[in-house]
Amino acid sequence: GQQVMQIPQYQHVQEGEDFTTYCNSSTTLSNIQWYKQRPGGHPVFLIQLVKSGEVKKQKRLTFQFGEAKKNSSLHITATQTTDVGTYFCAGLTGGGNKLTFGTGTQLKVEL
Amino acid sequence: DTEVTQTPKHLVMGMTNKKSLKCEQHMGHRAMYWYKQKAKKPPELMFVYSYEKLSINESVPSRFSPECPNSSLLNLHLHALQPEDSALYLCASSPLYRGDYGYTFGSGTRLTVV
Repeated sequence: GQQVMQIPQYQHVQEGEDFTTYCNSSTTLSNIQWYKQRPGGHPVFLIQLVKSGEVKKQKRLTFQFGEAKKNSSLHITATQTTDVGTYFCAGLTGGGNKLTFGTGTQLKVEL
Repeated sequence: DTEVTQTPKHLVMGMTNKKSLKCEQHMGHRAMYWYKQKAKKPPELMFVYSYEKLSINESVPSRFSPECPNSSLLNLHLHALQPEDSALYLCASSPLYRGDYGYTFGSGTRLTVV
């Protein structure tokens, strides 16, 4: 079945440093979604990418969808303590409607 | 109203108990989902309801029984659970059961089976 892996599994950064998480699928994806889950919280939808090579920005967050539509990345510039949480990508394979969540990257930001 | 409301927030139950989890949304979404999430793991899909009909059952044991009484409500009935069923149970909804809509998740029910 489809597998969606994320690296790194954990990342500790100092406040103000940049952070990137990578998402890789074993199959081509129709789209990719990103979610953030704060400690003790629930996943919150951030964004969806659909087109090959697409890049979208939300303030300090930059999302990319790979040309082959098998990978994606989330980059946070100048992290803040409010960025703490686990970031999940979720991919949709062509012809299906089921989202498969990636393994997640847990981000910790230290002052 | 842009929320998915889940009750209860916490639940402790014995292995012989019967309990129910409740989920409610008033966004007019026609797809609703149950997910199970273990600590430090991604959410795992359990059930999908589309237009109040069960569309997907991800080979979930029969001790979990979903129910969708109407387009706003989703229940998960629990019976004879095992300690390994302890987890965060998340309800989510989306406008339609199509993968090009983001999901709105509820805050979850943290279930402990003793």
